[in-house]
Amino acid sequence: GESVGLHLPTLSVQEGDNSIINCAYSNSASDYFIWYKQESGKGPQFIIDIRSNMDKRQGQRVTVLLNKTVKHLSLQIAATQPGDSAVYFCAENIGEYGNKLVFGAGTILRVKS
Amino acid sequence: DAGVIQSPRHEVTEMGQEVTLRCKPISGHNSLFWYRQTMMRGLELLIYFNNNVPIDDSGMPEDRFSAKMPNASFSTLKIQPSEPRDSAVYFCASSLRGLGTQYFGPGTRLLVL
Repeated sequence: GESVGLHLPTLSVQEGDNSIINCAYSNSASDYFIWYKQESGKGPQFIIDIRSNMDKRQGQRVTVLLNKTVKHLSLQIAATQPGDSAVYFCAENIGEYGNKLVFGAGTILRVKS
Repeated sequence: DAGVIQSPRHEVTEMGQEVTLRCKPISGHNSLFWYRQTMMRGLELLIYFNNNVPIDDSGMPEDRFSAKMPNASFSTLKIQPSEPRDSAVYFCASSLRGLGTQYFGPGTRLLVL
C-alpha cells in the first residue's frame, strides 16, 4: 500500500538563482531561531541563527529574515549551487537558553544544473 | 575537531530485542539531546540532558525507551523491547548551554523487523 508521511514542500531553482525558503513558527515567545540543512544520509547541519531582537542576519551566501509580527522566518540563499540541494529545517527555541528546539517539517530544495 | 559521534551507524534487529544506541558529544559541550526522525513525524526531541542530568524526557514515547548519561562524554539510548514502529533514524546532538546552537551527529539508522 501507499506509505503515508509528511508531505514536504519542494522548491526547485536553477543553479545560480537565489532561493527563498519560508517557515512559520508557532510560539510568539520564542526568542531564538536556527536554520539547519540536512543532506541525504546525514545529520542536520547548522547554517545560521538569529535572536528575536534582530530582524535580519547575514552569513556567507545566506541571509535569515525574521518577522515577529506574523511569526515568519525565511532563509535566502544567494547564487544557489548544486551542493545546496538538501532538506532545510527551521527550528525555534521554546526552552531556556536554546535548550529545547522545535523543528519544522522541512523544505526540500532541488537545484537544477 | 571531532563532531558528535554516534554508534552504531546502522542497526538491524528483530522485534523484542534490546537495542542500545551510543553517543559521544562534542568535548566541552554540557547539553545533550536525543532526537528521532521518521517520515511520519519528522524530527522529534526525545530527551535532553544538562550537565549529565535529564531535564526533559516528555518526548520519550513510552517506558520501553530509556536514556542515560553517566558522564559528560557518553550517553546511551536504550529500547527494550524493540518494536517495528521504532524503526527510524536516531540523532544525538550537543550544545553549550547558553549558546543554543545544537550540533548533530550522523545518526543511527534503526530497522526493527
